[in-house]
Amino acid sequence: AAGVIQSPRHLIKEKRETATLKCYPIPRHDTVYWYQQGPGQDPQFLISFYEKMQSDKGSIPDRFSAQQLSDYHSELNMSSLELGDSALYFCASSPRLGQEGEQFFGPGTRLTVL
Amino acid sequence: DQQVKQNSPSLSVQEGRISILNCDYTNSMFDYFLWYKKYPAEGPTFLISISSIKDKNEDGRFTVFLNKSAKHLSLHIVPSQPGDSAVYFCAASRDRDDKIIFGKGTRLHILP
Repeated sequence: AAGVIQSPRHLIKEKRETATLKCYPIPRHDTVYWYQQGPGQDPQFLISFYEKMQSDKGSIPDRFSAQQLSDYHSELNMSSLELGDSALYFCASSPRLGQEGEQFFGPGTRLTVL
Repeated sequence: DQQVKQNSPSLSVQEGRISILNCDYTNSMFDYFLWYKKYPAEGPTFLISISSIKDKNEDGRFTVFLNKSAKHLSLHIVPSQPGDSAVYFCAASRDRDDKIIFGKGTRLHILP
């Protein structure tokens, strides 16, 4: 079965650089979520989109922005990167009428800021 | 304030026995509860979920029990297998398409 695809899997950037993470949801899933997991931490919600519109916003820094495009893939744009942005970034998708709230996660992008 | 709490950072269980992972929550608005399994450097894998109108949901070796009055849920894995060794996250959401709030995770070790 098709899964959530994230690219790149690994990314190394310098401080103050920009980064763009991409997410391709499972086909026919219309909601996309972004989560950030720091070292030894649980995943924290950043932002979500339903039908290409932002549906909820969590603890996402103003330096970050995201969008869901016409083909339903999503991009997380990160600017003025800081050392503390080093983390695993997960994208998840869900169908609108998911049975019991389940979200399906991608493999993640490991961002390292030097 | 941790809304989803997993008080056991780790748990060791003999292969073939039952693994019981526990989770407590504080927000009475949660309506959906989920368990995810996670290996290092991989994304969380959805295992099983339950809505607040049920008290039990079963899928193969995995059973989730929900006690709403106690704001407590548990995941039972029986029989435990070596491949079950991983970090298990308890999670909750208020609605089907709402963000998921995760616990800190419990690392399960299945002993040979």
